[in-house]
Amino acid sequence: QKEVEQNSGPLSVPEGAIASLNCTYSDRGSQSFFWYRQYSGKSPELIMSIYSNGDKEDGRFTAQLNKASQYVSLLIRDSQPSDSATYLCAVMAPGTYKYIFGTGTRLKVLA
Amino acid sequence: DGGITQSPKYLFRKEGQNVTLSCEQNLNHDAMYWYRQDPGQGLRLIYYSQIVNDFQKGDIAEGYSVSREKKESFPLTVTSAQKNPTAFYLCASSKENSNQPQHFGDGTRLSIL
Repeated sequence: QKEVEQNSGPLSVPEGAIASLNCTYSDRGSQSFFWYRQYSGKSPELIMSIYSNGDKEDGRFTAQLNKASQYVSLLIRDSQPSDSATYLCAVMAPGTYKYIFGTGTRLKVLA
Repeated sequence: DGGITQSPKYLFRKEGQNVTLSCEQNLNHDAMYWYRQDPGQGLRLIYYSQIVNDFQKGDIAEGYSVSREKKESFPLTVTSAQKNPTAFYLCASSKENSNQPQHFGDGTRLSIL
């Protein structure tokens, strides 16, 4: 079974700090990676997609991919209380239409 | 606005009853998916479909059935064989290109009466 692993948290950071969320995956052939945010009782919403090694920035969010080490991370700069949510990492299983999700990391931003 | 519509938002099932959850999308996406999410857990794939009239079992298909008669619609039936159906059910869709992310509906919360 191909796996995607995340620390369940909660990860607590003070308002204005950088939150760093990590994800590792087992299938070395994976090419497509996604971060979703899920508020309690709501459905996941896409934050970022990343496909190439390195960093990809979008506003306060930066996704980092290292295929050699098989990890993908999400940095949230200037964290706000509204960022408090569960962050899901998803990896596209190579050669399929299946997405493998981690169990999510719960982030708490303290005002 | 384009999107994915799931209905109903809340659903209650009696013992021995089959219930059907609706999922409709107007994004012109080829692939559609059903996931189950239990409290504090990740998403588990129930069924997925890449094209009309074809679908594949996911990791937890037992006790569930689907159909894909139209590109826009992918209903999920929770049968009486599913002994623990209480969960949050999420429908998603994606473009045919395998690099594209999934987009989710608002979900249906199913409980047993």
